[in-house]
Amino acid sequence: QKEVEQNSGPLSVPEGAIASLNCTYSDRGSQSFFWYRQYSGKSPELIMFIYSNGDKEDGRFTAQLNKASQYVSLLIRDSQPSDSATYLCAVMGSNYQLIWGAGTKLIIKP
Amino acid sequence: GAGVSQTPSNKVTEKGKYVELRCDPISGHTALYWYRQSLGQGPEFLIYFQGTGAADDSGLPNDRFFAVRPEGSVSTLKIQRTERGDSAVYLCASSAPAGGRSTDTQYFGPGTRLTVL
Repeated sequence: QKEVEQNSGPLSVPEGAIASLNCTYSDRGSQSFFWYRQYSGKSPELIMFIYSNGDKEDGRFTAQLNKASQYVSLLIRDSQPSDSATYLCAVMGSNYQLIWGAGTKLIIKP
Repeated sequence: GAGVSQTPSNKVTEKGKYVELRCDPISGHTALYWYRQSLGQGPEFLIYFQGTGAADDSGLPNDRFFAVRPEGSVSTLKIQRTERGDSAVYLCASSAPAGGRSTDTQYFGPGTRLTVL
């Protein structure tokens, strides 16, 4: 059973601080990793994807991938109240389907 | 349209009834996926189409669920003899043809919230 694990939270972070979200996966052969943001009652929205070990930065967001340790993380700098949402980690399976974690609820406190 | 569209946005039905959920992918996207999401959970894969054919239907929970994509664009997810446990948000996503990692990204529609009474 291929699994993706996330801490369900909620994770509470003060406005302006760095929010750190983590995800581990079981399939060592996985190649593609995605972070989606989901607001309550809405569908998932892509934040970032990462394929290579190391860091990938896009604005206030940084994705980090460590294939040896089988974890992927998302850092959000200068957190804003609008960043409050559930963050879903997804790993691409062998047939291009996404295998999802249950999500981490992030709360940014003004 | 610019994005993935799904209809209806909400569907309430009675146990035992038949329902159809429709997905219209992004124009030009040949890959189409159905997922369902229960409250507090991540989406769960159901089926993947590449063009008109189902490339992977291993996520369909049982034979009450069926999906088609006859012309390689719009897809319909069909659920027979609905049960209360089928209540969830059904999400559709599309992506460009496989062949380059930048085209692996899946873009989601707004979902259909199915409630079986």
